[in-house]
This record gives sequence, C-alpha cells and structure tokens, in this order.
Amino acid sequence: GAGVSQTPSNKVTEKGKYVELRCDPISGHTALYWYRQSLGQGPEFLIYFQGTGAADDSGLPNDRFFAVRPEGSVSTLKIQRTERGDSAVYLCASSLISKGSGANVLTFGAGSRLTVL
Amino acid sequence: QKEVEQDPGPLSVPEGAIVSLNCTYSNSAFQYFMWYRQYSRKGPELLMYTYSSGNKEDGRFTAQVDKSSKYISLFIRDSQPSDSATYLCAMRKGSGGSNYKLTFGKGTLLTVNP
Repeated sequence: GAGVSQTPSNKVTEKGKYVELRCDPISGHTALYWYRQSLGQGPEFLIYFQGTGAADDSGLPNDRFFAVRPEGSVSTLKIQRTERGDSAVYLCASSLISKGSGANVLTFGAGSRLTVL
Repeated sequence: QKEVEQDPGPLSVPEGAIVSLNCTYSNSAFQYFMWYRQYSRKGPELLMYTYSSGNKEDGRFTAQVDKSSKYISLFIRDSQPSDSATYLCAMRKGSGGSNYKLTFGKGTLLTVNP
C-alpha cells in the first residue's frame, strides 16, 4: 500500500482481556518498528523487526507484550491480561533500510488507540 | 533526567509569526536529528532530517543542530494555521548498537491563529 496501515484505529477493552493490534507496512520495507505513545508524551520504542525476526525487543515493558512478523511483512502486537496502564496509542513504522544509516527514514502509521477500562 | 527534553508548550502564535522550537539532549552519541510533525489523531510525519551539527533549510523550515551545546532547533517562518500541530524532536545514534532506535522528546503543541 501507499502508507503504513494499522488496525484497529480504536480499541476499547476491559482490564484483563487479550488484545491484538495489526500493522501492514509499506510494501518492500524490510524493517518494522512498534512504538507506544502515552498521552502528552513522545513515542517510546517497543520492538524492531528485521525481516521475520525480532532484532530488538528491549522496549517491551513486560512479558504480557509480544509481537510477531511471521512472513516478514504484516506484524501483530499482542497484549495479554491488559491493564489500565496499557492505554496509549500504539504506533507502527517501517523503513526500507534496516540499519541506522543516513537514509533510514521511518514512515509511521496513524496508530491504534487502545483504551483499557 | 530524560535523554531528550522538550518543552511541551502549548505555544500559540499569530499567523505570519516566526516560530522557534527546541530540544536539549544528554547523550553525546546522538548523531542524527529529526523533527516530526504530528496532527491530532495521526502518526508522526518526518519534516526535517539533519546529520551532526549545522543548519538545514527546506522552504519555510530551518533545522539547526549545535552538538557542542546538545541543543537542536526548528524555525518556522511565515507560520500558517495549517502548521498547527504537535512538533516532536527525535534523535538516534550514528553507529553501534541500537542505532536504529529513535528517542523522542515529549512534543510541543503549536497553534497558529489566523
């Protein structure tokens, strides 16, 4: 597609429920990133994929969070036993070049706004 | 202390004003400096991209980086109501581990009044 597509755009769930957020990156982009943006804050890094593998998941806050990218394209962020503190906008980004070279420009999606009641 | 500090504002200016936005940072390993614009309910959109110290100009926008002071700025000339958005500074390392990882400021909310 022309841009990074994220679904759902909005998700309201109850505390303790399981949630999946999907990201469809720009076609041909090998690198994919998840960031989390809490209200009034800048985005914070969660996880980075190069191809199918998670090259860096150091930003995932705890083991309730998990992300996959089985075919090297679409990625799913999975949150188990959601807590109210998980409420945030989850942003996905993709880039053509995975390494942090000068041309590594990230394109962000519009985000999935998660509200945990 | 956060690695990147940015005054969240809000900042309100009249149309046509010159706007100055800035960030300070503490990690001397940062080499690439970016400014993103984020409209309400949208994802961040890259505006300007600078490597190391210096100035870069693109239309009404000028980005400045002063690595000696660990200070970056974005200037918007002849500001327009369509510039009303949150402006996020972001930066990353030039090489070494995790140099793909962006560290963002909190963002400054700008309103340009017609």
